[in-house]
Formats: sequence, C-alpha cells, structure tokens
Amino acid sequence: EIVLTQSPVTLSVSPGERATLSCKASQSVGTTLAWYQQKPGQAPRLLIYGASTRASNIPPRFSGSGSGTEFILTISSLQSEDFAVYYCQQYDNWSYTFGQGTKLEIK
Amino acid sequence: EVQLVQSGAEVKKPGESLKISCKTSGYRFTTYWIGWVRQMPGKGLEWMGVIYPRDSDTRYSPSFQGQVTISADTSISTAYLQWRSLQASDTATYYCAKLAGLETNHDAFDMWGQGTMVTVSS
Repeated sequence: EIVLTQSPVTLSVSPGERATLSCKASQSVGTTLAWYQQKPGQAPRLLIYGASTRASNIPPRFSGSGSGTEFILTISSLQSEDFAVYYCQQYDNWSYTFGQGTKLEIK
Repeated sequence: EVQLVQSGAEVKKPGESLKISCKTSGYRFTTYWIGWVRQMPGKGLEWMGVIYPRDSDTRYSPSFQGQVTISADTSISTAYLQWRSLQASDTATYYCAKLAGLETNHDAFDMWGQGTMVTVSS
C-alpha cells in the first residue's frame, strides 16, 4: 500500500507568515492527492484535491502543488483560524491512505 | 444542502457487537461512493473502506478487511459500519465521508459526518 510521509511533524509559524507543508508518497500517485484540515473536536475538512484545486469555499491563501511523489501545501498568510492539523491523502487505485499529519501551531 | 449525520456515541464491552450509522441527505445517495475513516485517540486518520450504494460494491483497506463490515440501505440513504466482536483497540472516533465525484471511486472525501465516538471497555 502507498505510504505518505508528511513533514515536518510540527510547524511553528507566526500569524501573517507563510507556512509550507510537505507530503511525499512512496510511489507515484500522479495528481490524486488531497489535503484536509482538522481542528480539535471537529471532522476533517477538504481543502485541496487533484493536488492543486481548491475545494468549495476554501480561501485563496491555501494552495497546493506537486505531482508524482512530492506535494506541497502552502498557506500564504496565516490567520488565527488556520492553526490546526493538516493531512494529505492519496486516492489512487482503490486506496485512500492518509499521511500522519502536520500540526501547525502558533509561534 | 449535503449532510451526513452519524449516530451517537457508544460505550460497549469487549466481545459485544455494534452497528453505527451515517444518514445522508441533499444528494443522490446511490451514485456516490461513501467511506469510513477511523481516528484513534490523539492519532491520525485511517481509511477503513468504501461502498457504492447502488450495487453495494465494497472495498476494504487491508488493515480492516475481515474486521468490520460496511453496508448501505438505499431506501433510507444510510451507510453502516458494523463489528461482530469489539475489542478495546476499537476505541476511536469513526467518521463517514462521501467521495466527491459522481459515480467514481477515484476522488477525495468532500463531505464528512460529525463523527461517532466508540468506547470499548470492560
């Protein structure tokens, strides 16, 4: 099964700054890669699918890039509501595995 | 408005059976895959399996094959996750989630239920 490795495990960033989160796949998944945000006590929320397409009602400060085995989620100017855990997920070939998550915390 | 509303929290003893539900509305239930995701306390997300309600085609993660059963009742637009014999290690929050694409399994989960917390303890 495809393994997704996210880095860093924890990222400390100040509000207003840029955050860059990485997700690497153990084999190519093309662009079948999604990003989710999860806040404590809440269900995950889809942010990005197809590696780079924003989901409905997701603000433009969230952007995704990459293909194959390496992917990036960028949050251009962090707002207070963006501090959460972020997961990448691949959905290739009857498999929907998630990365282990990156916790984005306030510096 | 698309909604996935899950059944309430459960407290069970080891060895007991359980079936939790995910009632959907606001879209055509039979034409979108729907899946289940586990989140153990303080841990990450693990996909368990997906089902296509129109024909009940079901695919499981290798980690959960044989451990749970996923089903759907199209008459009431509801998906289910079932255990025959719970273990303490099944203690977790379980989410149902709908795949985004019409009639395709090749997509992300765009809508999620609120989660069902299952506690298994003697």
